[in-house]
Amino acid sequence: GAVVSQHPSRVICKSGTSVKIECRSLDFQATTMFWYRQFPKQSLMLMATSNEGSKATYEQGVEKDKFLINHASLTLSTLTVTSAHPEDSSFYICSARPGGDQPQHFGDGTRLSIL
Amino acid sequence: QKEVEQNSGPLSVPEGAIASLNCTYSDRGSQSFFWYRQYSGKSPELIMSIYSNGDKEDGRFTAQLNKASQYVSLLIRDSQPSDSATYLCAVRGATNKLIFGTGTLLAVQP
Repeated sequence: GAVVSQHPSRVICKSGTSVKIECRSLDFQATTMFWYRQFPKQSLMLMATSNEGSKATYEQGVEKDKFLINHASLTLSTLTVTSAHPEDSSFYICSARPGGDQPQHFGDGTRLSIL
Repeated sequence: QKEVEQNSGPLSVPEGAIASLNCTYSDRGSQSFFWYRQYSGKSPELIMSIYSNGDKEDGRFTAQLNKASQYVSLLIRDSQPSDSATYLCAVRGATNKLIFGTGTLLAVQP
């Protein structure tokens, strides 16, 4: 089945640090990848849709300058949380699908804790 | 009205019983429907996908879709304690985005 790899799995860092999260599709090419955020006991919230070779599409209320997305190849998208603050602490999950009507598959997620 | 609605639960069933999870959606143009399982602290894992009206079976899982009623369900037969998790219903509509329900917490009692 389709495999999505996400790294790192956990980050603990000081306020003001920028954090980069990588998402790779291991056995398929993904022209589109998705970034979600999940707070405790809440459902997944789509942050942005990452398009290979073009700018990401951000959901309403998500700061594009805060959450930088780069989708440089068909198998790699990165999310950089710039100048992270404690309120950015959350579970960030990437997702990708092979194309067409195929299901989305999720990475293992990155638990970000900002002190 | 939420785009995808699920009962938050918890739904408690005894081991060996059938667990029935339900989901309704508002976008009549939706064409793709998915059930994901999410264990606490983990990311979602695909359980089933269904695209046409009727039933689709995969092992102990059966997904049911009724587009006229805008209703999707997931049945889990012979429920096991390891099935205890949050089950997320997800619907893909014309925007090509996956819209998630808030999830139903299932607890299978040994």
